[in-house]
Amino acid sequence: QVQLLESGGGVVRPGRSLRLSCAASGFAFTNYGIHWVRQSPGKGLEWVAVISFDGNNYFYAESVRGRFTISRDNSKNMLFLQMDSLRPDDTAVYYCAMSPQAGTLYHWGQGTLVIVSS
Amino acid sequence: VVLTQSPLSLPVTLGQPASISCKSSQNLVYGDGDTYLNWFHQRPGQAPRRLIYKVSIRDSGVPDRFGGSGSGTDFTLKISRVEAEDVGVYYCMQGTHWPWTFGQGTRVEIK
Repeated sequence: QVQLLESGGGVVRPGRSLRLSCAASGFAFTNYGIHWVRQSPGKGLEWVAVISFDGNNYFYAESVRGRFTISRDNSKNMLFLQMDSLRPDDTAVYYCAMSPQAGTLYHWGQGTLVIVSS
Repeated sequence: VVLTQSPLSLPVTLGQPASISCKSSQNLVYGDGDTYLNWFHQRPGQAPRRLIYKVSIRDSGVPDRFGGSGSGTDFTLKISRVEAEDVGVYYCMQGTHWPWTFGQGTRVEIK
């Protein structure tokens, strides 16, 4: 079955960097785009970024554009999110998610918590 | 695209119906003719679970008391008879326009 397992979260000071990873299994990873979605504590869901199946196309939410970089390693079935210049409002649980269908998200990881605090 | 859900809080009686509205600031019909409007349910400490995609297609395993409807900019999720397991937060999400966006969420609780 499809599994998405995020890692790399932790506590980081404002202005510093963190790299999240998402290990995928149970599906043809190289065939699908993959997304990052985040949820600040007690708040709603925010779509963050997407990368195409081949890694050649990506798109970001305005709130992270220029600071976050999404990438993937299709040889290892891995998705990444490089987060630079972190701010306190980046504090959230970060999920990777995907779907075999267009325009939706079906499979989600369990999330990894990032806390940006001095 | 801004998705506006209402109400934001919905106390319901067990066995009674419930309805959540999701209004979009833009038409959600994509160039291929499909409308990529989704509904998710989230319980505390869990990842969201998709209930409905493309407005009205219910996912496998989702009880048939859940139904999605609407078109263009106005969409609705209806629960015909609320059960205890339905508590949590419901989100609509559009996958038509980049960036994808979620509604603010509607918290359903039992009276």
